[in-house]
Amino acid sequence: DIQMTQSPSSLSASVGDRVTITCRASQSIGYFLNWYQQKPEKAPNLLIRAASGLQSGVPSRFSGSGSGTEFTLTIRSLQSEDFATYYCQQSYSAPYTFGQGTKLEIK
Amino acid sequence: QVQLVQSGAEVQKPGAAVKVSCKASGYTFTNYYMHWVRQAPGQGLEWMGVINSRAGSTIYAQKFQGRVTMTRDTSTSTVYMELSSLRSEDTALYYCARGEEHVFDIWGQGTVVTVSS
Repeated sequence: DIQMTQSPSSLSASVGDRVTITCRASQSIGYFLNWYQQKPEKAPNLLIRAASGLQSGVPSRFSGSGSGTEFTLTIRSLQSEDFATYYCQQSYSAPYTFGQGTKLEIK
Repeated sequence: QVQLVQSGAEVQKPGAAVKVSCKASGYTFTNYYMHWVRQAPGQGLEWMGVINSRAGSTIYAQKFQGRVTMTRDTSTSTVYMELSSLRSEDTALYYCARGEEHVFDIWGQGTVVTVSS
């Protein structure tokens, strides 16, 4: 199974900040990496697919990059509605594993 | 609009089974996979398995092999996930999620399953 490891596990930031979350895969997964945002009591929401493809309707302050084993999610100019938990997920091969999550909190 | 609507909350005793449904609408059901993901209280997301909505073939996570069964009814665009031999650790929120090349682009609202004696 491919293990996905996110860092940091939690992060405090302020509105207007730029933040970066990293996701590492235990083996190369090409560009088969996706990012989701989950708010409390809500289902996850797809933000980025195939490492850097912005999902329709997602604000352009979200961006993704990387390939192989290392990937990043960047949020430029944090807004209050961005405080949530973020998960990476590999769609390279089953089981389609998730990272453990990064909780983004208000400083 | 495209949506997945799941069945309601369940309370089951240890050792019992639970069957959760996920009804799709707003798109061609057989063109997409359907995945199941669960989330224990305060924990992260755990992939359980996937069903090919057209062929009915399945892939399950090793952890759930022998306990989980995913089926689909193309006449009603509904997918089912049955988990048997329930234990307290199975208490979680269970989601179905549409898979486009195994990217989860549409999610159900979630079904709470509580396992308690």
